[in-house]
Amino acid sequence: AQKITQTQPGMFVQEKEAVTLDCTYDTSDQSYGLFWYKQPSSGEMIFLIYQGSYDEQNATEGRYSLNFQKARKSANLVISASQLGDSAMYFCAVEETSGSRLTFGEGTQLTVNP
Amino acid sequence: GAVVSQHPSRVICKSGTSVKIECRSLDFQATTMFWYRQFPKQSLMLMATSNEGSKATYEQGVEKDKFLINHASLTLSTLTVTSAHPEDSSFYICSAIRRGSEAFFGQGTRLTVV
Repeated sequence: AQKITQTQPGMFVQEKEAVTLDCTYDTSDQSYGLFWYKQPSSGEMIFLIYQGSYDEQNATEGRYSLNFQKARKSANLVISASQLGDSAMYFCAVEETSGSRLTFGEGTQLTVNP
Repeated sequence: GAVVSQHPSRVICKSGTSVKIECRSLDFQATTMFWYRQFPKQSLMLMATSNEGSKATYEQGVEKDKFLINHASLTLSTLTVTSAHPEDSSFYICSAIRRGSEAFFGQGTRLTVV
């Protein structure tokens, strides 16, 4: 079984600054995938970034990057140049095997201030 | 555009009635779909895994007879909340995995039982 921990219930950042959202996970699987999703107030789940456990390089997608530290079982999301539209709930999730279900963390509510 | 469509987005029903929620994969076949439930300001909790052509696999604590899942085709899974009660009021969201890609989520359904 997997357990995902997001220790920051709420985070605040100034517009145009960078912010790091923490995520640690606990899994006994050797092969797994890590995901970050954004959930605005509308409720939809928006895929942001993916990191495979065997990927040696940190994943990047535009302003999003994932700071993957496998030995520490940490997969922090870094958002650069924050925008007001980034204000939302952010969820970290782990997929135990390809094509299987996702286990989500508790989420972090990010607020970007002008 | 959306690759997974969920309908309806909002529904209000009377206590004791049943509500059906549809989840469709629009441009791919999904042999497996997942149904999640989310209470306000909480994480997504997996309810069940919907398998095309076979019975759904329910998570521990989820009542099979209350949350009926039918995955009759490769593009459609339905969740029926039977004899709904106010405590069933929640946000329900489905996801489907396209082969070689990440999980795509429906827009979610906000159910209010009065």
